[in-house]
Amino acid sequence: DVKVTQSSRYLVKRTGEKVFLECVQDMDHENMFWYRQDPGLGLRLIYFSYDVKMKEKGDIPEGYSVSREKKERFSLILESASTNQTSMYLCASSTTSGYQPQHFGDGTRLSIL
Amino acid sequence: KQEVTQIPAALSVPEGENLVLNCSFTDSAIYNLQWFRQDPGKGLTSLLLIQSSQREQTSGRLNASLDKSSGRSTLYIAASQPGDSATYLCAPDYTGTASKLTFGTGTRLQVTL
Repeated sequence: DVKVTQSSRYLVKRTGEKVFLECVQDMDHENMFWYRQDPGLGLRLIYFSYDVKMKEKGDIPEGYSVSREKKERFSLILESASTNQTSMYLCASSTTSGYQPQHFGDGTRLSIL
Repeated sequence: KQEVTQIPAALSVPEGENLVLNCSFTDSAIYNLQWFRQDPGKGLTSLLLIQSSQREQTSGRLNASLDKSSGRSTLYIAASQPGDSATYLCAPDYTGTASKLTFGTGTRLQVTL
């Protein structure tokens, strides 16, 4: 079974802090994704990566950056956390085949105070 | 801009009922469409992936249909059970490489005893 593991289930940080969210997958997937999920807005793509050191902006990249130094690991960075970044963050991975689904981690509920 | 709408937003049914969840999308140029389930506070679990060349896909009590030309997909759940209570999301893939899914806001289903 594919496993996508997010480092924290719950995280509380302060405004202005630099925040790191980590995600690891164990299936050698090429694609990895970061989404945020907010009530009424659904899932929105922040960034995705299709290979090591490669990334593309999603729909809402402002205020975020990402890092993918190893194939299995994809990090989301909030450079200077703000209260409007309080949200549920979901990591996912997939192959590049259009015939295989995306696999999700359990999410990190991040609160910025 | 591609938009995905799921109706109804919420649904409550007694155990044992058959039910249909609807998904419509404005851009019909999809490669495939995925249905996911999300339990409260958790990540997404892939249920079915239906390719654009297919009209139906089945897994157990679940059946997904796709009418690409009319921009619609339905998820049929037979003989519903309380364990089916969750939010169901559909997500068309417009890239063919699973690199970008467009998510609907979901249908929240409650199956009562």
